[in-house]
Amino acid sequence: SAVISQKPSRDICQRGTSLTIQCQVDSQVTMMFWYRQQPGQSLTLIATANQGSEATYESGFVIDKFPISRPNLTFSTLTVSNMSPEDSSIYLCSVVVPNEKLFFGSGTQLSVL
Amino acid sequence: AQSVTQPDIHITVSEGASLELRCNYSYGATPYLFWYVQSPGQGLQLLLKYFSGDTLVQGIKGFEAEFKRSQSSFNLRKPSVHWSDAAEYFCAVGALKGGGNKLTFGTGTQLKVEL
Repeated sequence: SAVISQKPSRDICQRGTSLTIQCQVDSQVTMMFWYRQQPGQSLTLIATANQGSEATYESGFVIDKFPISRPNLTFSTLTVSNMSPEDSSIYLCSVVVPNEKLFFGSGTQLSVL
Repeated sequence: AQSVTQPDIHITVSEGASLELRCNYSYGATPYLFWYVQSPGQGLQLLLKYFSGDTLVQGIKGFEAEFKRSQSSFNLRKPSVHWSDAAEYFCAVGALKGGGNKLTFGTGTQLKVEL
């Protein structure tokens, strides 16, 4: 299994500002992902965080809006830039462990005013 | 493209009653199928998964799911629901190893348990 620490757990931010979400895993993992869960909707994959290279973004998501860092095999950050109320969501970090189980962090509840 | 449909947005059952949550998927190859539970204020927890083999898979907390290829379904069941099972349940389908386990989720089913 994997224990994922994600912070902050929640934040309220002003329009136009940026928030960086951190994801720390208790073991080295090859694959880390960032998901978004908008109110009343399912989870949508934002990007795959690649260690040592640029993240791979899904359709509809761009690096300028959601820059991602992955400096090592246990840590990643997602920044939500120039926020608007439409960015109010839960953001979740997830990892794949060797037996192909996917684990999720507890999420970051973001509210943008 | 892969997709997942959970036709029931809300389900209410009495404690002790049986439960079945429906999940239908669309996928071009042999899918990896998952059920996750999200309790209020908590992250997603994996209940069970199906990769291959026996089509009836057992998970944690007394849950099971049956993969039916002919119906493109992967319904979640529990014979006797407990009040602590109240949560939101997500079905998901993923690519095989080459896809890196990126998952497509259904819209979720909110389970309410009446005492």
